[in-house]
Amino acid sequence: SYELTQPPSVSVSPGQTARITCSGDALPKKYAYWYQQKSGQAPVLVIYEDSKRPSGIPERFSGSSSGTMATLTISGAQVEDEADYYCYSTDSSGNHSYVFGTGTKVTVL
Amino acid sequence: EVQLVESGGVVVQPGGSLRLSCAASGFTFDDYAMHWVRQAPGKGLEWVSLISWDGGSTYYADSVKGRFTISRDNSKNSLYLQMNSLRAEDTALYYCARSAAGSPDYWGQGTLVTVSS
Repeated sequence: SYELTQPPSVSVSPGQTARITCSGDALPKKYAYWYQQKSGQAPVLVIYEDSKRPSGIPERFSGSSSGTMATLTISGAQVEDEADYYCYSTDSSGNHSYVFGTGTKVTVL
Repeated sequence: EVQLVESGGVVVQPGGSLRLSCAASGFTFDDYAMHWVRQAPGKGLEWVSLISWDGGSTYYADSVKGRFTISRDNSKNSLYLQMNSLRAEDTALYYCARSAAGSPDYWGQGTLVTVSS
């Protein structure tokens, strides 16, 4: 089955830049999406179609994709950005098989 | 405001059945496909199932295929997940989510299913 691989954890100091990667074989052909999940809360979409930001999401969140890797960047991380982050995409088979990445815990301290 | 409210989660024995519901409001329900996504305690997100806007197409993760059935009633703005032959590994918080071009955009707060004897 298709897999999306993320680093388990990323640490960043307040005001610095955090980068979270997501690796998957189908990413050259399929969009990546990113979700933020704070403790005890439902996930929130922060990036869609590789690099687009939904309304209400701060500009410090940005996304990019190149080859088999998608990247979520938090520029000028804030304490409130501490959360789990998941990428999401689909495989290239056309079988509507959707998958979330393994998840990355971002610590801001 | 988009609202999704899940219900139906309880403690059930292995091998048992359960139907989850999701009540939608704040958007035109039959304009959107809908997902179920689950999260086991302390674990990551797992996509479970997707249904098209009219219920004509359904898709499942391999882990639930043949045991779970997704359905919807557009006249009631409601989404359902029928879960049969439940296993301990199905224990999770189950979220319903609206689909935008294949990806969940708005999520409910989830309903907890515990499979235990």
